[in-house]
Amino acid sequence: DAGVIQSPRHEVTEMGQEVTLRCKPISGHNSLFWYRQTMMRGLELLIYFNNNVPIDDSGMPEDRFSAKMPNASFSTLKIQPSEPRDSAVYFCAAGQFANTGELFFGEGSRLTVL
Amino acid sequence: QQQVKQSPQSLIVQKGGIPIINCAYENTAFDYFPWYQQFPGKGPALLIAIRPDVSEKKEGRFTISFNKSAKQFSLHIMDSQPGDSATYFCAASTQAGTALIFGKGTTLSVSS
Repeated sequence: DAGVIQSPRHEVTEMGQEVTLRCKPISGHNSLFWYRQTMMRGLELLIYFNNNVPIDDSGMPEDRFSAKMPNASFSTLKIQPSEPRDSAVYFCAAGQFANTGELFFGEGSRLTVL
Repeated sequence: QQQVKQSPQSLIVQKGGIPIINCAYENTAFDYFPWYQQFPGKGPALLIAIRPDVSEKKEGRFTISFNKSAKQFSLHIMDSQPGDSATYFCAASTQAGTALIFGKGTTLSVSS
């Protein structure tokens, strides 16, 4: 299995533009998490899904952020409009979390907002 | 959301030393405590995990010590090697599989 696949790996955009980050989890993994990593704040949980249903989005910074999981094999994280303070590495992680406790992380999407 | 506090922020040891990274949690409902290891440019990966029914777990050179009454747990790396240089994150969640909350991470550098 190829693991958790994220795209794009790098994104540079200008303030005000819409950004869409994508994640393809490992087949059979029914939990999917989105995290944001910065030097100052570490790994912050943004939102997580179980069986494609959003369970907790209390970590989403504000209404500019939205996430969807239309099916078991795909999720998106959208920022509209983007701001410089959104610059970070965004990770998608998936697993059979309730059963095994283990999450498998993708390699991340590094976002730079100018 | 900072329910898991990790220290130190960075750590430098010589090859063969025993770095120790500490974490403290607040939520008594937490009952699953993993450690993740992250290399530059990569996502974190599970290293070792413990549940509160034991006070210590060892896997190879990595050991977790757990103190339920103090709500603290720590990672010890025996005979550390330059290849152990990475960022280490402690985390916590409930057995029901709710959100996995991470500490802020510790950057470990092992010099040869």
